[in-house]
Amino acid sequence: AQSVTQLDSHVSVSEGTPVLLRCNYSSSYSPSLFWYVQHPNKGLQLLLKYTSAATLVKGINGFEAEFKKSETSFHLTKPSAHMSDAAEYFCVVSEPPEYGNKLVFGAGTILRVKS
Amino acid sequence: NAGVTQTPKFQVLKTGQSMTLQCAQDMNHEYMSWYRQDPGMGLRLIHYSVGAGITDQGEVPNGYNVSRSTTEDFPLRLLSAAPSQTSVYFCASSYGVEQYFGPGTRLTVT
Repeated sequence: AQSVTQLDSHVSVSEGTPVLLRCNYSSSYSPSLFWYVQHPNKGLQLLLKYTSAATLVKGINGFEAEFKKSETSFHLTKPSAHMSDAAEYFCVVSEPPEYGNKLVFGAGTILRVKS
Repeated sequence: NAGVTQTPKFQVLKTGQSMTLQCAQDMNHEYMSWYRQDPGMGLRLIHYSVGAGITDQGEVPNGYNVSRSTTEDFPLRLLSAAPSQTSVYFCASSYGVEQYFGPGTRLTVT
């Protein structure tokens, strides 16, 4: 069975300061991991994905995440927050295609950016 | 390509009514799935399909039916709507690991 734990339900940062959104996962397989972002009343946008290649993954809008197998973590970071980063972020683990490509979502972290 | 499309965007139902949420994709993806989003719970899998004619249950299947007669379409049926089914519903399709999401349907059951 697979599961995802997002360690903070809310994170508040000031504009221009670093962002850290924490995610731990549990997986019976070699995991594929994703971060999605959802702005208010909008759909889901893929930020980045890890699929067993480089452990440091770069995504869109300056975000990146590091896969750490020993810590079962996949934390999302950004060096400098922008007001437009305010949104809800989801860490997601995927089951392999032979098991239906099913996604397991974390509960989400709401990022607030203060001016 | 239109990608993944969902209709309607918004729907209000009375308890006990039935309806079908439509999902279509034009990318020839084998995998399709339905998720519901509720505050503080992320997205949870309702049903999924690995190809035409094949469907299976996800985490929260009760009260929902699906069928997959074509590769393109994957409708979600609510047989007798309940207030607990008030949610935002997302359809997704995939070929490989990455999934593509539709814009969502916001459903309110009164």
